[in-house]
Amino acid sequence: DTAVSQTPKYLVTQMGNDKSIKCEQNLGHDTMYWYKQDSKKFLKIMFSYNNKELIINETVPNRFSPKSPDKAHLNLHINSLELGDSAVYFCASSQEAVRTSGAGGNTQYFGPGTRLTVL
Amino acid sequence: KQEVTQIPAALSVPEGENLVLNCSFTDSAIYNLQWFRQDPGKGLTSLLLIQSSQREQTSGRLNASLDKSSGRSTLYIAASQPGDSATYLCAVDSNYQLIWGAGTKLIIKP
Repeated sequence: DTAVSQTPKYLVTQMGNDKSIKCEQNLGHDTMYWYKQDSKKFLKIMFSYNNKELIINETVPNRFSPKSPDKAHLNLHINSLELGDSAVYFCASSQEAVRTSGAGGNTQYFGPGTRLTVL
Repeated sequence: KQEVTQIPAALSVPEGENLVLNCSFTDSAIYNLQWFRQDPGKGLTSLLLIQSSQREQTSGRLNASLDKSSGRSTLYIAASQPGDSATYLCAVDSNYQLIWGAGTKLIIKP
C-alpha cells in the first residue's frame, strides 16, 4: 500500500562508483520529483518529470541523470560519486505539475528517502 | 529569489502544552504553503496545505495560518503529545517549485 517507494533505503559506496536509486509511485500521479536534503536539512529540488518528460532541471552536476521509463517510475543515476554527494535523497509525486485555476493545490507525496553515504 | 526561514530551529516543551512554530518567506507571490512532518529515518508526511487565497487550515490538533502580505505562516499544535516529536518543515509553492525551510526540531517531553 506504499504510495511512493524508494530503493534502496541506505546506500554506502566508495568515491568514484556509479549508483542508482529507484522510485516508484502507485498513486497514478503525472509528476515525479527528486529532492536532495543536505546536512542542514534543506531540501532542494533536483529534477521534475511530468508524464515522462523533464520539466525542471535545477543546477546539478551532469553526473546526476534522471530516467523515467514510465509515469510511475523516476530513477536517479549518479556517476562518479563524490564525497559531497552524501545526503538523503527524496522522491516525490504529485497529481499535476501545472496548476489549474481553482485546483486543490499541488500536494506532493514523498518517499521514505535514501540515505547515500560516499566514503 | 524565494527564501524560507523557520524559527526556532529546535524547541523542547513539556507534554500537554500548546505551541507555535513559525515560517517566513521573502516573496509573497506564492501559490500555496505546506507544512510537513519528518520523522527520523522516514519520509515526509504532508500535514496541511494552505492555498494562497486562504487564511488557515485545520486538521485535528493542528492549525496552520497564512499571512501572505507579511510573508508568514504559523503552525499551531494544541495539547502536544510525545508522538508529536519530529522535525516540522514548511515549504512554499513558488514558481512551480517547492522552496523549503530548514525545519524546526520539536521534542515533547513526557
